[in-house]
Amino acid sequence: DVKVTQSSRYLVKRTGEKVFLECVQDMDHENMFWYRQDPGLGLRLIYFSYDVKMKEKGDIPEGYSVSREKKERFSLILESASTNQTSMYLCASSLPRLDYGYTFGSGTRLTVV
Amino acid sequence: DQQVKQNSPSLSVQEGRISILNCDYTNSMFDYFLWYKKYPAEGPTFLISISSIKDKNEDGRFTVFLNKSAKHLSLHIVPSQPGDSAVYFCAASSFTSGTYKYIFGTGTRLKVLA
Repeated sequence: DVKVTQSSRYLVKRTGEKVFLECVQDMDHENMFWYRQDPGLGLRLIYFSYDVKMKEKGDIPEGYSVSREKKERFSLILESASTNQTSMYLCASSLPRLDYGYTFGSGTRLTVV
Repeated sequence: DQQVKQNSPSLSVQEGRISILNCDYTNSMFDYFLWYKKYPAEGPTFLISISSIKDKNEDGRFTVFLNKSAKHLSLHIVPSQPGDSAVYFCAASSFTSGTYKYIFGTGTRLKVLA
């Protein structure tokens, strides 16, 4: 069963900590994405990547960075966690085709205290 | 600036009746659209898509209609079932942008009453 795996379902971190969210896909997809989901705001794109070592800013990149050293792995980094980064984080992957859509992971619920 | 809007945050429908979820967009360059369903504590799952060369696409109980002149699309679920209760997101993208990234709406929570 093909899938996108996010390393943690729930995470609690302290303000100021550096946080790593890991995402691995086994579908050999070129594209990978990080979104956050907040009530009333839907899914907002943080960063995406079309290839290894390539990254592009999404709509809300501030306070985040990403790393893609291998095709199957895309990491989201919160450089210094803040309470306004408490959210559901969703990783997705896709082929370079619009009709294919995304395959999403199950999400990581991050709480910053 | 919200390019993809779902103006109804929630919708309740009786089991067996039709559910209609609406989505509006502002960018006329969008030419591909998706609908996703999301259960709590799970990632969104792909439901149905439509490209701008069509005005309708059907898959079982799910039909998506696209009105390009109104920049509006809708998802019809007939008949609605309790298992359809979830949050539904529409998403739009532009082939000419070459980015393969989708812009998502804010979601509509559907509740199907047994």
